[in-house]
Order: sequence, then structure tokens, then C-alpha cells
Amino acid sequence: AQSVAQPEDQVNVAEGNPLTVKCTYSVSGNPYLFWYVQYPNRGLQFLLKYITGDNLVKGSYGFEAEFNKSQTSFHLKKPSALVSDSALYFCAVRDEGGRRALTFGSGTRLQVQP
Amino acid sequence: EPEVTQTPSHQVTQMGQEVILRCVPISNHLYFYWYRQILGQKVEFLVSFYNNEISEKSEIFDDQFSVERPDGSNFTLKIRSTKLEDSAMYFCASSASGISRTYEQYFGPGTRLTVT
Repeated sequence: AQSVAQPEDQVNVAEGNPLTVKCTYSVSGNPYLFWYVQYPNRGLQFLLKYITGDNLVKGSYGFEAEFNKSQTSFHLKKPSALVSDSALYFCAVRDEGGRRALTFGSGTRLQVQP
Repeated sequence: EPEVTQTPSHQVTQMGQEVILRCVPISNHLYFYWYRQILGQKVEFLVSFYNNEISEKSEIFDDQFSVERPDGSNFTLKIRSTKLEDSAMYFCASSASGISRTYEQYFGPGTRLTVT
């Protein structure tokens, strides 16, 4: 069975500082990995994905993520945090096979302080 | 930018009643999904739908649940006899075909279902 772990319930960072939100995964085959963001009273908004190719993927709003196969990780990063980045972030995985169901992590709340 | 829409945004119902949650997926997408998020818990997969039939379902998606695409635009989730534990945020999502190699799912804003 596939699974996702987000070890931090909350990450606090000062505006302008770099941020990292951690994610590790487990799948039986090659992973397809995704990051989503959820603002209050809103749905899940797609940020970025890793399917194949370069281990560093870039997404919306200046976010990027690094795929590390040996560590089974897909950490979300941003060089300079904004107060408006404060939200709930979810990592999700599916395998490359026929199943399309996403398995989500428990979410990490990012708080960016001015 | 096209988006997934869901109605209603909030539904309150009494235990044992039937509810229908409605979704309009992105128009050129072929795969449709329902997920739910119980307050404070993970987002959980319920069911996926392709070519007018269920392609995957989780153990949560038991006989009290059903899905339908009644016309060319809507995608519905019916809960036949609601239970208190069905109270959750229900998200609809859609994705393009695998041929496009996009793979990401686009989510609607959710319907908060409260069962009393």
C-alpha cells in the first residue's frame, strides 16, 4: 500500500527566509508525486508535480520541490517566503501503474511571520 | 482559467436521509474523483470514474455511496442513508486523459456535509 508522511504539523518561518516543508513517501513502483496547497475555506490547489526527469521541479508561486529517490523524499521549498504563503500544504503520491487514486499526507501548516 | 465547481457549499441533513453532492468537472477532462476530509484528518480517496463507470474505489465507498454522470457536465455523489460519521468535507476532482501526460488532479472548493 502506498503512503505519505509529513512529519511536521506546522512550520514557522520569517518572511524573506527560505522555507522547506518535508514529505516522504512509499509506493510499490515508480512514484508520481504532487504538492497541493489549501487556503481557508478553499479547495486543494495544485502547486507542482514530479513524474519523471529532473529531480528539481518548479511550480506555481515560486515553489519548487526536490525528488530524492534514495531517501524517498519530495520536499517542498521556496527561496524566500511571503506572508501570503501561509496555508496548509499537502503532499500526495500515486504510483505509475493504472491506479489513479492519490494518497495524501496529513498536511503541514505553514506560518510565515512578517 | 477553467475550474471544478461544486454545489452546495454546505449541506446539513438528518441521519438516515439521502444527499446528493454535485460537481461540474473541467470540461475537457475525462477522469473524475471524489475525496473526503473528515475534520482534522487526511484527505481520503473515495472513488474514481472514467468512461461512465467506476474505475477504482476505496473501502470507504460502500453500498451506501453511488456516483453518476447524469449528463455531459455534472458528476454526482449520492449517499443513500447518511450517518453521523459521514460528516466531512467532500471534494470533487478531475484530470485529463493519460495521453496528455498531465496527471495532476484539479479539485473543487468542496461541499461541507453536516449530518445531525
